[in-house]
Amino acid sequence: GAVVSQHPSWVICKSGTSVKIECRSLDFQATTMFWYRQFPKQSLMLMATSNEGSKATYEQGVEKDKFLINHASLTLSTLTVTSAHPEDSSFYICSARDLGGMGTQYFGPGTRLLVL
Amino acid sequence: ILNVEQSPQSLHVQEGDSTNFTCSFPSSNFYALHWYRWETAKSPEALFVMTLNGDEKKKGRISATLNTKEGYSYLYIKGSQPEDSATYLCASLTGANNLFFGTGTRLTVIP
Repeated sequence: GAVVSQHPSWVICKSGTSVKIECRSLDFQATTMFWYRQFPKQSLMLMATSNEGSKATYEQGVEKDKFLINHASLTLSTLTVTSAHPEDSSFYICSARDLGGMGTQYFGPGTRLLVL
Repeated sequence: ILNVEQSPQSLHVQEGDSTNFTCSFPSSNFYALHWYRWETAKSPEALFVMTLNGDEKKKGRISATLNTKEGYSYLYIKGSQPEDSATYLCASLTGANNLFFGTGTRLTVIP
């Protein structure tokens, strides 16, 4: 099956630092990748749609200048949390949709971010 | 934001029991319904993608049905095994190609 990797799996950082999370589709090409965030006891919430070679589309309420997304190739998207603050502590998970899929999204294992 | 609800929130069953849980979603602007199985510390695994009213899909001991007119889907597990323990997520795909997730049903199968 399609495999998506995500690194790092855990990040602990000081307030004010920036954190980069990578999402890679290992065995397929993905023109579209998605970034989700999950707070405790809540559902996965879409943050942004990452489109290869063009700007990401952000959901309402998600600051594009704070959550920088780069999708430079068909197998890699990165999410950078800039100047992270404790309220950014959350579980971030990416997914990728392959070119021929029925809309099935293949997920990475997620990244747990803790900002002190 | 689409309101996708799952019930129950958590469930404990004995090994060998059959079980089912519900996903409800708005029926307007419906495109597809996705089911995922999510084990702790692993990636969510796609189980089913369902699009047509009355659809029924099966994968081993797990099956799902879909009613798009009333906006619900059931997931059934026959003869539950400890390895079935996971969180089962459903998500509704809208015409805008966004997946809206429920909070999941956490299943624990007791040996």
